[in-house]
Amino acid sequence: DGGITQSPKYLFRKEGQNVTLSCEQNLNHDAMYWYRQDPGQGLRLIYYSQIVNDFQKGDIAEGYSVSREKKESFPLTVTSAQKNPTAFYLCASSMEAHEQFFGPGTRLTVL
Amino acid sequence: RKEVEQDPGPFNVPEGATVAFNCTYSNSASQSFFWYRQDCRKEPKLLMSVYSSGNEDGRFTAQLNRASQYISLLIRDSKLSDSATYLCVVNDDYKLSFGAGTTVTVRA
Repeated sequence: DGGITQSPKYLFRKEGQNVTLSCEQNLNHDAMYWYRQDPGQGLRLIYYSQIVNDFQKGDIAEGYSVSREKKESFPLTVTSAQKNPTAFYLCASSMEAHEQFFGPGTRLTVL
Repeated sequence: RKEVEQDPGPFNVPEGATVAFNCTYSNSASQSFFWYRQDCRKEPKLLMSVYSSGNEDGRFTAQLNRASQYISLLIRDSKLSDSATYLCVVNDDYKLSFGAGTTVTVRA
């Protein structure tokens, strides 16, 4: 089945730690995205990538980093510089600039 | 001003009722529009794209008003399973802007 997978589903981080969230897709989509969702708010774009080995900052990139070494994979690292990382993180992919399809998300909690 | 604004609701309606809500967007150059549905603690799922002439998909009707920069969604004959948060989404090239969502609760 084609789709987008994210792991882990739940992640707990101690203050000062870096953590990496995984996102994989087998839809052959060129573009991939990372969003953050906080309660009562819309999704906010962290980073996006239109092609392999290229990515752009979104609206709230500070404290995050990404890589796009393979078309299928777009991991997100939440660094210790991100002061309020507790949130629901969603990865999405799309063909060019068309509608986006989302993975099931990762809930990150800082202890 | 937020790029996409929605009435958060909640809209509490009985089964079988019609419910409608709008969202407004700020960028007049936006090219494409979508409605997504999000269930509690789940990922958003595409409900329908919104075309310039308006479009219908079963009990759901979406309308676009470019002059006034708003998008609407109407749900007819509401089902219990329609209870969800509906996200208005505006596409500017590769970037999607999301509204915070309108919560709909359908009661028996």
